[in-house]
Amino acid sequence: AQSVTQPDIHITVSEGASLELRCNYSYGATPYLFWYVQSPGQGLQLLLKYFSGDTLVQGIKGFEAEFKRSQSSFNLRKPSVHWSDAAEYFCAVGPALGTYKYIFGTGTRLKVLA
Amino acid sequence: DTGVSQDPRHKITKRGQNVTFRCDPISEHNRLYWYRQTLGQGPEFLTYFQNEAQLEKSRLLSDRFSAERPKGSFSTLEIQRTEQGDSAMYLCASSPNSNQPQHFGDGTRLSIL
Repeated sequence: AQSVTQPDIHITVSEGASLELRCNYSYGATPYLFWYVQSPGQGLQLLLKYFSGDTLVQGIKGFEAEFKRSQSSFNLRKPSVHWSDAAEYFCAVGPALGTYKYIFGTGTRLKVLA
Repeated sequence: DTGVSQDPRHKITKRGQNVTFRCDPISEHNRLYWYRQTLGQGPEFLTYFQNEAQLEKSRLLSDRFSAERPKGSFSTLEIQRTEQGDSAMYLCASSPNSNQPQHFGDGTRLSIL
């Protein structure tokens, strides 16, 4: 069955430090992959997506992610974190084979220290 | 592009009552999704519409849950005889086609007393 794993529930980084959020997936074919960000009480905002082509994708707010088929990973990175990046980040894959269903990870909550 | 709109933003109700939520997708987005998100979890897929046709429902959707999209525009999600476990954020998302990502609304937070 298709699945998404975000191994880190919480991550704390200092402002200005680099960031990497991990995402591993299980999927029977080349998936569509997404990273979303959610602030408290809000919906999800798309940061970036991978459908095909270049495995390094650029997103909004200075984020990027790299699709590594051999590792079944799609890690999110940012070279220098800003205090406003504090939020919850979700990796998603979909649609699941034979369905219209998108599968989200359990999220990583990012805390940024001033 | 006014974004996906959900109403109400918050709903507090007593156990056993019925509730209905509304979602207005981005205009011309023919694909509409409902998700449920509980604390500390990612969104869980509930159901999917393509235009007015409900093409997929999750097993999470018990017989107390029903969703409609009568004219292929706005959608409603109804929960009958609410239970404590229904307390969650209900998110709606829309997309124009399968090659475009979903755009999410800000959700309806349901609290069951």
